[in-house]
Amino acid sequence: QSVLTQPPSASGTPGQRVTISCSGSSSNIGTNTVNWYQQLPGTAPKLLIYSNNQRPSGVPDRFSGSKSGTSASLAIGGLQSEDEADYYCAAWDDSLMEVFGGGTKLTVL
Amino acid sequence: QITLKESGPTLVKPTQTLTLTCTFSGFSLSTSEVGVGWFRQPPGKALEWLALIYWNDDKRYSPSLKMRLTITKDTSKNQVVLVMTNMDPVDTATYYCAHSNTIFAEFDPWGQGALVTVSS
Repeated sequence: QSVLTQPPSASGTPGQRVTISCSGSSSNIGTNTVNWYQQLPGTAPKLLIYSNNQRPSGVPDRFSGSKSGTSASLAIGGLQSEDEADYYCAAWDDSLMEVFGGGTKLTVL
Repeated sequence: QITLKESGPTLVKPTQTLTLTCTFSGFSLSTSEVGVGWFRQPPGKALEWLALIYWNDDKRYSPSLKMRLTITKDTSKNQVVLVMTNMDPVDTATYYCAHSNTIFAEFDPWGQGALVTVSS
C-alpha cells in the first residue's frame, strides 16, 4: 500500500493530452514539493518534474506538473508513443522519509 | 556528468545479509547538501525508498526497514554501501541508488539498478 495514491492506469491516443493525479496528505504533498519520475520499460526511473512544476534540462515542455493542497498532477500534452511508461509521484513526508505513489502505467493507444 | 552504478550479489539465501555498493562519479559526497539514496522495486511493483546519506554523514532510513538497514559512505572511494540483514524472499527486487543535490529534494540521476533474488 503506497502512501501516495495514483490511478493504476491511464491511456490516450497520439496527440491527446493526458493527466495523471497523485493524492497525498498534509504531512507530505501538503507541506513539501512533489517530484515525478518516468520509468520506461526495463529501465531505471528518470526525473521528469521536480519542485511541483520544474522540468529538468532535456525534458520536453509537453510535460508539466502542478500541485494544489494535498494533490498533484502530471499532464502530458501531444501524447507520443515513446511516452508509454510508468509514472511515479514522490514527495518527502514530515516523518523524514521519501514516499512514492503506486505508479501509473500509461498506454498510448 | 553524474553517473551511479550498483553492484553486489545477484542471489542471496534467506536469513543472509545483503551488501550493495553504489559507485558514483561526477560529484563528491563531501560537497554541502549532496546525498545518495537507495531504493528498491520488486518485480512488477512500485518504487520504495530505503535509505539516504548526506555529505555530513546524516542518515535517514525507511521506518519499516530501519532495524535491518545500515548505510555508510566512503568519500575517498566515491562509494555508498547499503547493508540489509535477515533477507527474505519478499526482499527480491531491483535495487537502485540515486544522487540528490539538495536536502529533502529530488533524486537525479539514478543508477541502472541491480536485481537481487532471495531464494534458497
